[in-house]
Amino acid sequence: NAGVTQTPKFQVLKTGQSMTLQCAQDMNHEYMSWYRQDPGMGLRLIHYSVGAGITDQGEVPNGYNVSRSTTEDFPLRLLSAAPSQTSVYFCASSYSRTVGTGELFFGEGSRLTVL
Amino acid sequence: AQSVTQLGSHVSVSEGALVLLRCNYSSSVPPYLFWYVQYPNQGLQLLLKYTSAATLVKGINGFEAEFKKSETSFHLTKPSAHMSDAAEYFCAVSDPFPGYSSASKIIFGSGTRLSIRP
Repeated sequence: NAGVTQTPKFQVLKTGQSMTLQCAQDMNHEYMSWYRQDPGMGLRLIHYSVGAGITDQGEVPNGYNVSRSTTEDFPLRLLSAAPSQTSVYFCASSYSRTVGTGELFFGEGSRLTVL
Repeated sequence: AQSVTQLGSHVSVSEGALVLLRCNYSSSVPPYLFWYVQYPNQGLQLLLKYTSAATLVKGINGFEAEFKKSETSFHLTKPSAHMSDAAEYFCAVSDPFPGYSSASKIIFGSGTRLSIRP
């Protein structure tokens, strides 16, 4: 049972490059989300989705794009990377669109460094 | 807007001592509250959650938390610390019923790193 799978685990980019962080879950969860984790700031919500074709912004959406074409996948795109996007990124999913009543299941994280 | 404040970014206790991690919340509606734990180089996992039933909530690994509305607090405790409890702990809050046009969000605190002294 894989749960939530994130790739890559580590990535180094130069300023201005683009890349996509991949997230896949095999639990048939409706809700998927992306967080970034920075020292002293906890986890901040970037974007989330309550089902295929439906996405919305979280607390810190600027510089990031998402799409949800299938229930299983929720990629996060950085179109033009900046040093301020150096962080650890976590994908998380939940069985219910009203995620507040339930539990988030997290991937192991993707560590991104932008030079 | 909902938020949580975790008091103390780093807590250190001796093995066998009481663990107390503090969390205060702000919410305009009755919230749901969570504690998550993150072990080194891993994602977060749910420790326990409060969903407006019993105010004293028991979680995994001997942890428990008490919801106190009058103090807007949801502190995490464990009677006797073990070396394996060393991790980062996050308090989180959500509005479980945000309305038809909205989806819930879980908002996290800044985290408390727990160290255990032998």
